[in-house]
Amino acid sequence: DGGITQSPKYLFRKEGQNVTLSCEQNLNHDAMYWYRQDPGQGLRLIYYSQIVNDFQKGDIAEGYSVSREKKESFPLTVTSAQKNPTAFYLCASSIWEGQGLYGYTFGSGTRLTVV
Amino acid sequence: EDQVTQSPEALRLQEGESSSLNCSYTVSGLRGLFWYRQDPGKGPEFLFTLYSAGEEKEKERLKATLTKKESFLHITAPKPEDSATYLCAVQAIVSSGGATNKLIFGTGTLLAVQP
Repeated sequence: DGGITQSPKYLFRKEGQNVTLSCEQNLNHDAMYWYRQDPGQGLRLIYYSQIVNDFQKGDIAEGYSVSREKKESFPLTVTSAQKNPTAFYLCASSIWEGQGLYGYTFGSGTRLTVV
Repeated sequence: EDQVTQSPEALRLQEGESSSLNCSYTVSGLRGLFWYRQDPGKGPEFLFTLYSAGEEKEKERLKATLTKKESFLHITAPKPEDSATYLCAVQAIVSSGGATNKLIFGTGTLLAVQP
């Protein structure tokens, strides 16, 4: 079955450490997205990518980095510059066309906790 | 600024007690509106897409409607398994007349249905 796989499901980070969250999709979707979800704040866009080797900052990109070397993969690195990284991280993908209306397919999420 | 507001923040119903969730939006131009269901610790699951005012979509006990300023998710005779957070998101038309596939999410309504 096609879908999006996020790993790990739970991740613990020490102060000053960089960690990378994995996101893989086999839906042949062009676009991929990373969101952060905090209680009472809804989903906030971190980064998104429409095509391979290209990505754009979202609303809260500071302290995060991404790469898009393959269509299927869009890993997110949470760097030590991100001062409050504890959150639930969601990866999503969609078809991308300028005039289209396409919803997202979401992964199951990674819960990151600073220890 | 494009914005999506959902109300109420939380709703507790008895099994069989019908109600509605509200999603009001302010966007320069609406391309479409999405409803998602999210269970605790999981990624959002797609429910409906609505494109234009007056449109309605149904799935089991859920019916989504759309006006020019808001959408309602009506829940008829809910069951405990309908308990979840319901998210609304809009896709806006950009000023150039094209579309961005970026979705703007509301903060969600947490629905609890008691047996």
